[in-house]
Amino acid sequence: DVKVTQSSRYLVKRTGEKVFLECVQDMDHENMFWYRQDPGLGLRLIYFSYDVKMKEKGDIPEGYSVSREKKERFSLILESASTNQTSMYLCASSLRTGGSEQYFGPGTRLTVT
Amino acid sequence: RKEVEQDPGPFNVPEGATVAFNCTYSNSASQSFFWYRQDCRKEPKLLMSVYSSGNEDGRFTAQLNRASQYISLLIRDSKLSDSATYLCVVYTNAGKSTFGDGTTLTVKP
Repeated sequence: DVKVTQSSRYLVKRTGEKVFLECVQDMDHENMFWYRQDPGLGLRLIYFSYDVKMKEKGDIPEGYSVSREKKERFSLILESASTNQTSMYLCASSLRTGGSEQYFGPGTRLTVT
Repeated sequence: RKEVEQDPGPFNVPEGATVAFNCTYSNSASQSFFWYRQDCRKEPKLLMSVYSSGNEDGRFTAQLNRASQYISLLIRDSKLSDSATYLCVVYTNAGKSTFGDGTTLTVKP
């Protein structure tokens, strides 16, 4: 059974803290994605990766960085969290580049105070 | 203008109704298209792929119109369990995915 897991369901951090969101997939997928989802703004792509150590900017990369040291793990890093980064963060993976089904994790609700 | 735009919701329909959603995209180089369903407080899940020749799965039909750059989703004989937010997603050939904002459907008894 396909599985994408995220390290936390809920997270509360203070402004200025460094935040790590972890995502792990067990399907040997090539591609992994990080999105944030906000009411009225839909799902917005932050970064994606099509291979180990490779990354591509999505539509809203500012304030974020990513790391993919192993195929199964894709981390999202907020170097200095700000209140406007309070959001639902969703990780996804897909088998191949160019468009294939994305499998999503359950999401991390991050609140920055 | 957004890269991917969906019909604004919400759609409120009675059980048994037929309802259709559209999703327009601006990048003519877009390669792949899908519809996802997202239930309240859950992650999105694939509903169906969209092919140039159309795609039907039971009560659901998806179509692609490349000339006019839109995809559509038709739901026939709506059920209460169809209530959800429906998201379209468009891929470029570089693998970048762009989701629409979603259309909320509520099916009422």
